[in-house]
Amino acid sequence: EVQLLESGGGLVQPGGSLRLSCVASGFTFNSYAMSWVRQAPGKGLECVSAISGSGGSTSYADSVKGRFTISRDNSKNTLYLQMNSLRAEDTAVYYCARDKGYIGYPSDYWGQGTLVTVSS
Amino acid sequence: EIVMTQSPATLSVSPGERATLSCRASQSISSNLAWYQQKPGQAPRLLIYGASTRATGIPARFSGSGSGTEFTLTISSLQSEDFAVYYCQQYNNWPLAFGQGTKVEIK
Repeated sequence: EVQLLESGGGLVQPGGSLRLSCVASGFTFNSYAMSWVRQAPGKGLECVSAISGSGGSTSYADSVKGRFTISRDNSKNTLYLQMNSLRAEDTAVYYCARDKGYIGYPSDYWGQGTLVTVSS
Repeated sequence: EIVMTQSPATLSVSPGERATLSCRASQSISSNLAWYQQKPGQAPRLLIYGASTRATGIPARFSGSGSGTEFTLTISSLQSEDFAVYYCQQYNNWPLAFGQGTKVEIK
């Protein structure tokens, strides 16, 4: 059974940093691209970043480019999102998702999400 | 950047009836279109990809059609568990973009 478990969310002040983690199980982790998708309270979905199975290719939404860094440790089956210079508009539930194969494909499995709140 | 527009914003349907949801892309995305279902407090679930291919375990009452810029998700006979918000997503180009969602509510 595919499982994705996010952690690392919480309350942070504007300008602060946070690192999200997502531990994957139930599939061959390095064979799949992975994504982070966020959802602001009461709003729709936004693809934040994606990374290829090897980690050699990454993509970012313009809204986070230069502030967020996606990475993965295939030896630990873990996906990360380092978030710096956080803003109030980054407040959202952040979902880790497995992509259907390659980077840029739809996400077929999702974690339950971790809430990030940026507020003073 | 491709913009996805869904209509209507809210669809009121009685159980057992058909629901038809629309999604339009601001430029051609071929068949690189996915549909997701999201219930309150839950993560999205992939329903359809490639515009018309059902994901694993998705009931046959869900069907997708379209190509280019116009797409449709049809739920042939709504069940109680189908009342939710539905999002379309283009994956033809990065950044992948979602529509704003259509809420299917009980009439």
